[in-house]
Amino acid sequence: QSALTQPPSASGSPGQSVTISCTGTSSDVGGYNYVSWYQQHPGKAPKLMIYEVSKRPSGVPDRFSGSKSGNTASLTVSGLQAEDEGDYYCNSYAGSNNRYVFGTGTKVTVL
Amino acid sequence: QVQLVESGGGVVQPGRSLRLSCAASGFTFGNYALHWVRQAPGQGLEWVAILSYDGSHKSYADSVKGRFTISRDTSQNTLFLQMNSLRAEDTALYYCARQHTSDWSSLAHWGQGTLVIVSS
Repeated sequence: QSALTQPPSASGSPGQSVTISCTGTSSDVGGYNYVSWYQQHPGKAPKLMIYEVSKRPSGVPDRFSGSKSGNTASLTVSGLQAEDEGDYYCNSYAGSNNRYVFGTGTKVTVL
Repeated sequence: QVQLVESGGGVVQPGRSLRLSCAASGFTFGNYALHWVRQAPGQGLEWVAILSYDGSHKSYADSVKGRFTISRDTSQNTLFLQMNSLRAEDTALYYCARQHTSDWSSLAHWGQGTLVIVSS
């Protein structure tokens, strides 16, 4: 049950786009369309940004989008804004008796 | 509105036990799966355990299997995490989280966490 692999950091200027990858295996990311993404600001609880690979919960701006290809899922933040700075984590259902696994996390910096 | 409030954290010696609680309100407790997720200081999120909506199924991360037990009291709308044989590496902020309304696999609502420090 290894953590999903994410790049440690990503950055972009205001208005630009940034894409974060989340690589797993055929037993988790590649095997199910149950990938979700969470944003976490310092000292705060995580917030759900994307579920079921590409769906946005109510209230999440459409600047946030998700996709998946094979064993890799991606989160794209378009039109970067200062408030998008924070840590982002992917999560995938991993079957195998209803288990889940988080990614290693990516720190997004708005330059 | 959905509210999750964790409690029960503290400083505990290695090998000892601790029970965390998560008081839920604002939704029908028995209709949703609930999770425990932890975050060691300065580290990433780690999924710990899940209790299915009807309480019939429990699953655990390998790192806690056999030591931790997830349970609930529906009369008190409270989720528990019994942690036995605690180790230094169990030191973390422990969050409880509720599944999304229409997607059973994602965690849509989170508490603010309760801190567990395992140290002699």
